[in-house]
Amino acid sequence: GDSVTQMEGPVTLSEEAFLTINCTYTATGYPSLFWYVQYPGEGLQLLLKATKADDKGSNKGFEATYRKETTSFHLEKGSVQVSDSAVYFCALRRVSGTYKYIFGTGTRLKVLA
Amino acid sequence: DAGVIQSPRHEVTEMGQEVTLRCKPISGHNSLFWYRQTMMRGLELLIYFNNNVPIDDSGMPEDRFSAKMPNASFSTLKIQPSEPRDSAVYFCASSLVGGGYTDTQYFGPGTRLTVL
Repeated sequence: GDSVTQMEGPVTLSEEAFLTINCTYTATGYPSLFWYVQYPGEGLQLLLKATKADDKGSNKGFEATYRKETTSFHLEKGSVQVSDSAVYFCALRRVSGTYKYIFGTGTRLKVLA
Repeated sequence: DAGVIQSPRHEVTEMGQEVTLRCKPISGHNSLFWYRQTMMRGLELLIYFNNNVPIDDSGMPEDRFSAKMPNASFSTLKIQPSEPRDSAVYFCASSLVGGGYTDTQYFGPGTRLTVL
């Protein structure tokens, strides 16, 4: 079945460091891919998305590129801030059939000043 | 837009009591999802509706859980009787699917349930 695997956390970085959170997926066909962010005490918010191979999603300095050949959608940011501390979820949805999202387990990011 | 609205935000109850969680999706959305989040199990999809019809309830833990969507603007998740292991944060999310939309899910703020 479809699945999403993302790196274990927590990830602890100093402010202005480079961030990579790995995400790989297993799915038939060409799913849509998403990154969601959850700040403490809040619901999940869409961070970025990509709907086809080689698309790059970007938002708030975060980027992720849909890599069909490696079935990956790694999240990157060139310079993290303390305010980026949150839990990040990678997710996929097939473009036909079920409307279900498959979420990864989440990666907690802590950025130190 | 007000976003997805959930109530109550916090619920504390005793084992054996009935609990009802409520959700108002974003106006115009045609799909609604109920999730449960715990430290041990992460984010789990419980059930989702499309056009008010339950499509997949395979994630509902057991018969103690039931969900309804009587109209496009309201859904409930009921637990009867509640047990301590039901303690979690319950999220509702809605989206617009079909017709070429990219079906981003929008999450509510969640209901934190504590069963003593």
